[in-house]
Amino acid sequence: DQQVKQNSPSLSVQEGRISILNCDYTNSMFDYFLWYKKYPAEGPTFLISISSIKDKNEDGRFTVFLNKSAKHLSLHIVPSQPGDSAVYFCAARLLTSGTYKYIFGTGTRLKVLA
Amino acid sequence: DAGITQSPRHKVTETGTPVTLRCHQTENHRYMYWYRQDPGHGLRLIHYSYGVKDTDKGEVSDGYSVSRSKTEDFLLTLESATSSQTSVYFCAIRTSGSWNEQFFGPGTRLTVL
Repeated sequence: DQQVKQNSPSLSVQEGRISILNCDYTNSMFDYFLWYKKYPAEGPTFLISISSIKDKNEDGRFTVFLNKSAKHLSLHIVPSQPGDSAVYFCAARLLTSGTYKYIFGTGTRLKVLA
Repeated sequence: DAGITQSPRHKVTETGTPVTLRCHQTENHRYMYWYRQDPGHGLRLIHYSYGVKDTDKGEVSDGYSVSRSKTEDFLLTLESATSSQTSVYFCAIRTSGSWNEQFFGPGTRLTVL
């Protein structure tokens, strides 16, 4: 049962254009959503997050949008740069048995073309 | 950088042998996690710890055990490695800051022949 889904395994975008990465979830008890970026041979690094009580959070070129009614979130990168080429994981936080757990999607590989 | 190191970084072993992976952190974070990353599955939680000697199972815990005898070290043990445990293993810590995001170590690539 995949509670967090990233249905696009890959995405190619031209440098300078907008990249939109999508994520869908099924569990309405998730209270935080996070995006991580991962380069080859490195651990994931935290990028941006959003609380379930918000609908938008912005940090520089990165904006995350949350649509709770649709159980959908998206990450917008504007403008896209070649250095943004990486695998992006969506994650959702769940409080269970008094501890926070994080459920990850399968990732989307973004390639920004120069 | 949350001061997380993993050892070894790469390991090749044979089916049936025991393997222990180590995660070390330098900032006394209470929560530590072990994940495995596989193509088509993203990151899946194996075990986690919420304090010294306090551990619990994640979604893919079968075949794995963990121990945490000190705050800074979280060990993952494969009692008898199988080829299905070939994967990249990541350790993570959770901060107590406002965002409560996780910080990951650099990973251990394990190959079981």
